Amino acid sequence: QVQLQESGPRLVKPSETLSLTCAVSGYSINTVNYWGWIRQPPGKGLEWIGSIYHSGITYYNPSLKSRVTISVDTSKNQFSLKLSSVTAADTAMYYCARVNGGYTFGYYFDYWGQGPLVTVSS
Amino acid sequence: SSVLTQPPSVSVAPGQTARITCGGNNIGSKNVHWYQQKPGQAPVLVVYDDSDRPSRIPERFSGSNSGNTATLTISRVAAGDEADYYCQVWDSISDHPRVVFGGGTKLTVL
Repeated sequence: QVQLQESGPRLVKPSETLSLTCAVSGYSINTVNYWGWIRQPPGKGLEWIGSIYHSGITYYNPSLKSRVTISVDTSKNQFSLKLSSVTAADTAMYYCARVNGGYTFGYYFDYWGQGPLVTVSS
Repeated sequence: SSVLTQPPSVSVAPGQTARITCGGNNIGSKNVHWYQQKPGQAPVLVVYDDSDRPSRIPERFSGSNSGNTATLTISRVAAGDEADYYCQVWDSISDHPRVVFGGGTKLTVL
């Protein structure tokens, strides 16, 4: 059973960096799958942040690319998100997820974490 | 780049069939995936690759995709199906490959 669990500060000050880690259990991160981050502002829809392969290959949402870094630590079976220069608009639920599918026919998210609400406020 | 359009809301009586659409330019050329999200919970994949279902999802959930519209169909709707539903594609054709979500549809069971 694949399980994902996000951890990190729930409150971040404006202009600082949001940092979250996703611990994966029941499945090795060092496989054919990508791993991704998705966020959801309160009362709004889903927004993809980016995805990473265990080798370090990444895809980022162009609208966030300048502020996002996603990394992977295969020794700890986890991957991480950093979002810099945050504002109140970055307040959201942040979900990590396992990516399935392929580049040609399309990626999708088959296992999700429960997602912490991260609030940006002074 | 892909823009996916969903109706904000769909209402259906218990036992009837709900159809939730996802519109996009030539979306039939892409694989479409669908998620169900109940209040306070993480999204759950209900249909992938247009019409395949994860093993834990009931057969009442099905999908189709052709032309400019993909459709999620829920047969014999029950109160427990009330949720937000999102479509999603992978846009690999643009200069910057990306995941795109539709805006979501709230399904209300009357």
